[in-house]
Amino acid sequence: NFMLTQPHSVSESPGKTVTISCTRSSGSIASNYVQWYQQRPGSAPTTVIYEDNQRPSGVPDRFSGSIDSSSNSASLTISGLKTEDEADYYCQSYDSSTLVFGGGTKLTVL
Amino acid sequence: EVQLVESGGGLVQPGGSLRLSCSASGFTFSSYAMHWVRQAPGKGLEYVSAISSNGGSTYYADSVKGRFTISRDNSKNTLYLQMSSLRAEDTAVYYCVKALTWGQGTLVTVSS
Repeated sequence: NFMLTQPHSVSESPGKTVTISCTRSSGSIASNYVQWYQQRPGSAPTTVIYEDNQRPSGVPDRFSGSIDSSSNSASLTISGLKTEDEADYYCQSYDSSTLVFGGGTKLTVL
Repeated sequence: EVQLVESGGGLVQPGGSLRLSCSASGFTFSSYAMHWVRQAPGKGLEYVSAISSNGGSTYYADSVKGRFTISRDNSKNTLYLQMSSLRAEDTAVYYCVKALTWGQGTLVTVSS
């Protein structure tokens, strides 16, 4: 079993770029794909990145994902921040056939 | 369009039971593993249970093992979660998840 650790919160100004990290506690980050979900208040999560760095159709290219084996972490980067990007973001990977979630990061755009 | 629609949530007393359903459409249901994920009020996402595409393999979080049972009916394109011996800490929105798609969730409240 492993854990995914995210910062509790990040904040940045509109138009800027923010990166949210997701660090895997044991085992290689590259062993299993990482997904990122956006959750606005009162709504279900939606996928913004899948398979480490793929964007579903309809997700703007301001959203990008990557993994870094040296830090054993995944990252979600959002450029050209908009106020509508303010939300909670969760990373997720797999442990055998089960889902492992990070604790979530609250993004504030101010 | 892929759609997942949960139902069956509600208010139940501690120790009680409830069965959640998830009706799937827009994809070949029998080809995909399915998951239940929950979110307690003001908290993060918590994996609950998973089932393989043919129902032959099931997985549970330690917090629900022995109390919850996941199942599916591929002829009805429906996923189930039978919950028993419910506790206050099971209070949450329960989401049905297929790969990258989430349902809208159904709220389960365990309270006397």
